[in-house]
Amino acid sequence: NAGVMQNPRHLVRRRGQEARLRCSPMKGHSHVYWYRQLPEEGLKFMVYLQKENIIDESGMPKERFSAEFPKEGPSILRIQQVVRGDSAAYFCASSLRGSRDYEQYFGPGTRLTVT
Amino acid sequence: QQQVKQSPQSLIVQKGGISIINCAYENTAFDYFPWYQQFPGKGPALLIAIRPDVSEKKEGRFTISFNKSAKQFSLHIMDSQPGDSATYFCAASISTSNYQLIWGAGTKLIIKP
Repeated sequence: NAGVMQNPRHLVRRRGQEARLRCSPMKGHSHVYWYRQLPEEGLKFMVYLQKENIIDESGMPKERFSAEFPKEGPSILRIQQVVRGDSAAYFCASSLRGSRDYEQYFGPGTRLTVT
Repeated sequence: QQQVKQSPQSLIVQKGGISIINCAYENTAFDYFPWYQQFPGKGPALLIAIRPDVSEKKEGRFTISFNKSAKQFSLHIMDSQPGDSATYFCAASISTSNYQLIWGAGTKLIIKP
């Protein structure tokens, strides 16, 4: 029973490059959430998606960041023209339903380093 | 007002002792308070959660104490073990946006054998 999978686990990008982070939810889960964790800080909500729909992107920076969850395949968090401030751990979580009554299960995260 | 303030930042406890981590909030609309445990290199995992209609919830060695009037809640780990060494996060959410968690900054707990 595989949990939430994220890849890559570590990603190094130079300033100005693009970063693509992938998240495969737990089997049977159609709700995906992305969080960002800066060093010494708690997680910050970025975006909530269902299959083919963005439900809430209120935590996403307005520029350079985008997310999708296609009908087939993993959810993708895309960061264009990365800057040093984008260096962080990015966690994906999935749940059976979009309510706190249904636990969010977290993946191991992708550590992004921008040089 | 959306913040959850967590303390201490780090904590060292002897094996067998009680570990206590505290969180405080301002927004009285928060009505769900979970605690997460995170081991190095892993994502957070739900440990225990409480709603404000009760003042205490216990699951094994883990207890949440909730003080609604003081707007504070805490995690107590009884008989702390080296395997409990991890980072602990408190969080809170509002029913009108009930999937969106507001997280504390985390407490790095070390249990000394």
